[in-house]
Amino acid sequence: DTEVTQTPKHLVMGMTNKKSLKCEQHMGHRAMYWYKQKAKKPPELMFVYSYEKLSINESVPSRFSPECPNSSLLNLHLHALQPEDSALYLCASSPGLRYEQYFGPGTRLTVT
Amino acid sequence: QKEVEQNSGPLSVPEGAIASLNCTYSDRGSQSFFWYRQYSGKSPELIMFIYSNGDKEDGRFTAQLNKASQYVSLLIRDSQPSDSATYLCAVNMEYGNKLVFGAGTILRVKS
Repeated sequence: DTEVTQTPKHLVMGMTNKKSLKCEQHMGHRAMYWYKQKAKKPPELMFVYSYEKLSINESVPSRFSPECPNSSLLNLHLHALQPEDSALYLCASSPGLRYEQYFGPGTRLTVT
Repeated sequence: QKEVEQNSGPLSVPEGAIASLNCTYSDRGSQSFFWYRQYSGKSPELIMFIYSNGDKEDGRFTAQLNKASQYVSLLIRDSQPSDSATYLCAVNMEYGNKLVFGAGTILRVKS
Protein backbone atom coordinates (compact mmCIF):
# COMPACT_ATOMS: atom_id res chain seq x y z
CA ASP A 1 0.00 0.00 0.00
CA THR A 2 1.52 3.32 -1.09
CA GLU A 3 -1.20 5.64 0.13
CA VAL A 4 -0.76 9.13 1.46
CA THR A 5 -3.96 10.83 2.56
CA GLN A 6 -4.63 14.55 2.79
CA THR A 7 -7.49 16.55 4.25
CA PRO A 8 -9.34 18.60 3.33
CA LYS A 9 -9.59 18.11 -0.45
CA HIS A 10 -10.63 21.71 -0.96
CA LEU A 11 -10.28 24.77 1.26
CA VAL A 12 -11.44 28.34 0.79
CA MET A 13 -10.18 30.83 3.35
CA GLY A 14 -10.05 34.55 3.86
CA MET A 15 -6.84 36.44 4.40
CA THR A 16 -7.45 36.75 8.14
CA ASN A 17 -8.36 33.11 8.75
CA LYS A 18 -6.27 30.41 10.41
CA LYS A 19 -6.58 26.91 8.99
CA SER A 20 -4.56 23.69 8.90
CA LEU A 21 -3.85 21.09 6.24
CA LYS A 22 -3.33 17.49 7.35
CA CYS A 23 -1.37 14.63 5.84
CA GLU A 24 -1.06 11.02 6.98
CA GLN A 25 0.88 7.95 5.85
CA HIS A 26 1.05 4.44 7.30
CA MET A 27 3.90 3.06 5.20
CA GLY A 28 6.52 3.48 7.91
CA HIS A 29 8.22 6.19 5.88
CA ARG A 30 10.67 8.39 7.78
CA ALA A 31 10.65 11.43 5.50
CA MET A 32 7.67 13.67 4.75
CA TYR A 33 7.36 16.71 2.54
CA TRP A 34 5.17 19.69 1.71
CA TYR A 35 5.06 21.02 -1.86
CA LYS A 36 3.16 23.86 -3.49
CA GLN A 37 2.02 23.57 -7.09
CA LYS A 38 0.61 26.37 -9.23
CA ALA A 39 -1.25 25.66 -12.46
CA LYS A 40 0.94 24.36 -15.32
CA LYS A 41 4.05 24.45 -13.10
CA PRO A 42 5.96 21.60 -11.42
CA PRO A 43 5.72 21.03 -7.66
CA GLU A 44 7.86 23.41 -5.63
CA LEU A 45 9.40 22.14 -2.40
CA MET A 46 8.43 23.95 0.80
CA PHE A 47 9.48 21.80 3.77
CA VAL A 48 11.16 18.46 4.47
CA TYR A 49 10.91 16.45 7.68
CA SER A 50 13.27 13.57 8.35
CA TYR A 51 12.70 11.41 11.44
CA GLU A 52 10.17 14.00 12.64
CA LYS A 53 12.70 16.83 12.56
CA LEU A 54 12.59 19.76 10.15
CA SER A 55 15.38 19.12 7.67
CA ILE A 56 14.74 21.70 4.94
CA ASN A 57 12.80 24.98 4.90
CA GLU A 58 12.96 26.48 1.42
CA SER A 59 12.73 30.06 2.72
CA VAL A 60 8.97 29.78 3.01
CA PRO A 61 7.15 32.83 4.49
CA SER A 62 6.28 32.49 8.17
CA ARG A 63 2.55 32.54 7.38
CA PHE A 64 3.12 28.84 6.59
CA SER A 65 4.04 26.82 9.67
CA PRO A 66 4.77 23.08 9.42
CA GLU A 67 4.41 20.58 12.24
CA CYS A 68 5.22 16.88 12.49
CA PRO A 69 3.44 15.50 15.59
CA ASN A 70 4.64 11.92 14.95
CA SER A 71 6.16 9.77 12.24
CA SER A 72 2.82 9.28 10.45
CA LEU A 73 1.39 12.79 10.54
CA LEU A 74 2.32 16.10 8.98
CA ASN A 75 0.43 19.35 9.34
CA LEU A 76 0.70 22.70 7.62
CA HIS A 77 -0.73 25.61 9.60
CA LEU A 78 -1.87 28.59 7.57
CA HIS A 79 -2.35 32.15 8.83
CA ALA A 80 -2.80 35.52 7.13
CA LEU A 81 -2.38 34.11 3.66
CA GLN A 82 -2.39 36.17 0.47
CA PRO A 83 -4.41 35.51 -2.70
CA GLU A 84 -1.17 34.50 -4.47
CA ASP A 85 -0.89 31.59 -2.03
CA SER A 86 -3.82 29.93 -3.79
CA ALA A 87 -2.47 26.65 -5.19
CA LEU A 88 -2.53 22.87 -4.88
CA TYR A 89 -0.70 21.84 -1.72
CA LEU A 90 0.84 18.40 -1.94
CA CYS A 91 2.13 16.17 0.80
CA ALA A 92 4.57 13.35 0.03
CA SER A 93 6.43 10.68 1.95
CA SER A 94 9.43 8.48 1.26
CA PRO A 95 11.28 5.66 3.06
CA GLY A 96 14.12 8.10 3.62
CA LEU A 97 15.74 11.10 2.01
CA ARG A 98 16.87 10.44 -1.60
CA TYR A 99 14.32 7.64 -2.06
CA GLU A 100 11.15 7.60 -4.13
CA GLN A 101 8.44 9.96 -2.93
CA TYR A 102 4.73 9.11 -2.96
CA PHE A 103 2.30 11.99 -3.20
CA GLY A 104 -1.08 12.42 -1.62
CA PRO A 105 -4.06 13.71 -3.64
CA GLY A 106 -3.44 17.29 -2.52
CA THR A 107 -5.49 20.11 -1.02
CA ARG A 108 -6.80 22.73 -3.45
CA LEU A 109 -6.49 26.02 -1.53
CA THR A 110 -8.20 29.24 -2.54
CA VAL A 111 -7.45 32.44 -0.61
CA THR A 112 -10.06 35.17 -1.03
CA GLN B 1 21.16 26.63 -16.85
CA LYS B 2 18.09 25.04 -15.30
CA GLU B 3 18.76 22.24 -12.83
CA VAL B 4 16.43 19.77 -14.58
CA GLU B 5 15.40 20.35 -18.19
CA GLN B 6 12.65 18.74 -20.22
CA ASN B 7 11.11 19.56 -23.57
CA SER B 8 7.69 20.99 -22.69
CA GLY B 9 6.02 19.47 -25.77
CA PRO B 10 3.36 18.65 -26.50
CA LEU B 11 4.70 15.35 -27.79
CA SER B 12 2.08 13.71 -29.98
CA VAL B 13 2.27 10.00 -30.82
CA PRO B 14 -0.26 7.64 -32.41
CA GLU B 15 -1.83 4.89 -30.35
CA GLY B 16 0.42 1.82 -30.21
CA ALA B 17 3.62 3.77 -30.89
CA ILE B 18 6.61 4.27 -28.59
CA ALA B 19 6.73 7.58 -26.75
CA SER B 20 10.21 8.81 -25.82
CA LEU B 21 10.57 11.44 -23.10
CA ASN B 22 13.91 13.01 -22.27
CA CYS B 23 15.45 14.88 -19.37
CA THR B 24 18.86 16.38 -18.60
CA TYR B 25 20.16 17.53 -15.22
CA SER B 26 22.94 19.81 -14.06
CA ASP B 27 24.20 18.28 -10.78
CA ARG B 28 26.76 15.61 -11.70
CA GLY B 29 26.61 14.20 -8.17
CA SER B 30 22.90 13.32 -8.37
CA GLN B 31 22.17 9.70 -7.47
CA SER B 32 18.43 9.10 -7.77
CA PHE B 33 16.05 9.83 -10.63
CA PHE B 34 12.30 9.61 -10.93
CA TRP B 35 9.48 9.86 -13.45
CA TYR B 36 6.04 10.99 -12.38
CA ARG B 37 2.83 11.11 -14.40
CA GLN B 38 0.34 13.86 -13.65
CA TYR B 39 -3.16 14.07 -15.05
CA SER B 40 -4.81 17.48 -15.17
CA GLY B 41 -6.13 18.46 -11.73
CA LYS B 42 -4.54 15.41 -10.03
CA SER B 43 -1.40 14.87 -7.99
CA PRO B 44 1.83 13.38 -9.40
CA GLU B 45 1.95 9.59 -9.55
CA LEU B 46 5.30 7.80 -9.35
CA ILE B 47 5.77 5.51 -12.35
CA MET B 48 9.51 4.76 -12.41
CA PHE B 49 12.65 5.33 -10.39
CA ILE B 50 16.23 4.49 -11.35
CA TYR B 51 19.48 4.75 -9.42
CA SER B 52 22.05 2.95 -11.62
CA ASN B 53 23.30 3.51 -15.15
CA GLY B 54 21.47 1.50 -17.78
CA ASP B 55 17.89 0.46 -18.36
CA LYS B 56 15.12 -0.44 -15.95
CA GLU B 57 11.90 -1.95 -17.27
CA ASP B 58 8.48 -2.17 -15.64
CA GLY B 59 5.64 -3.33 -17.89
CA ARG B 60 5.30 -0.89 -20.79
CA PHE B 61 7.72 1.59 -19.19
CA THR B 62 11.51 1.67 -19.51
CA ALA B 63 13.69 4.22 -17.73
CA GLN B 64 17.18 4.82 -19.07
CA LEU B 65 19.98 6.54 -17.17
CA ASN B 66 23.33 7.80 -18.43
CA LYS B 67 25.17 9.58 -15.61
CA ALA B 68 28.18 10.47 -17.79
CA SER B 69 25.90 12.41 -20.13
CA GLN B 70 23.64 13.58 -17.26
CA TYR B 71 20.66 12.26 -19.15
CA VAL B 72 17.61 10.24 -18.15
CA SER B 73 14.77 9.12 -20.39
CA LEU B 74 11.44 7.32 -20.24
CA LEU B 75 10.13 5.08 -23.00
CA ILE B 76 6.46 4.14 -23.11
CA ARG B 77 5.74 1.20 -25.39
CA ASP B 78 2.34 0.52 -26.97
CA SER B 79 1.15 4.01 -26.01
CA GLN B 80 -2.52 4.30 -25.09
CA PRO B 81 -4.81 7.34 -25.02
CA SER B 82 -4.90 6.90 -21.22
CA ASP B 83 -1.16 7.69 -21.19
CA SER B 84 -1.96 11.27 -22.24
CA ALA B 85 -0.71 13.36 -19.32
CA THR B 86 2.17 15.55 -18.19
CA TYR B 87 5.32 13.59 -17.38
CA LEU B 88 7.60 15.10 -14.76
CA CYS B 89 11.27 14.20 -14.50
CA ALA B 90 12.62 14.62 -10.97
CA VAL B 91 16.22 14.43 -9.76
CA ASN B 92 17.43 14.20 -6.19
CA MET B 93 20.19 16.78 -6.16
CA GLU B 94 23.42 15.98 -4.34
CA TYR B 95 23.67 19.53 -3.06
CA GLY B 96 20.75 20.51 -0.87
CA ASN B 97 19.63 16.86 -0.76
CA LYS B 98 16.26 17.69 -2.29
CA LEU B 99 14.08 16.60 -5.20
CA VAL B 100 14.00 19.04 -8.11
CA PHE B 101 11.41 18.71 -10.87
CA GLY B 102 11.66 19.56 -14.51
CA ALA B 103 8.89 21.66 -16.03
CA GLY B 104 7.22 18.54 -17.45
CA THR B 105 6.49 17.20 -20.93
CA ILE B 106 2.90 17.04 -22.16
CA LEU B 107 2.23 13.74 -23.94
CA ARG B 108 -0.76 13.29 -26.23
CA VAL B 109 -1.59 9.84 -27.56
CA LYS B 110 -3.99 9.98 -30.48
CA SER B 111 -6.35 7.09 -31.22
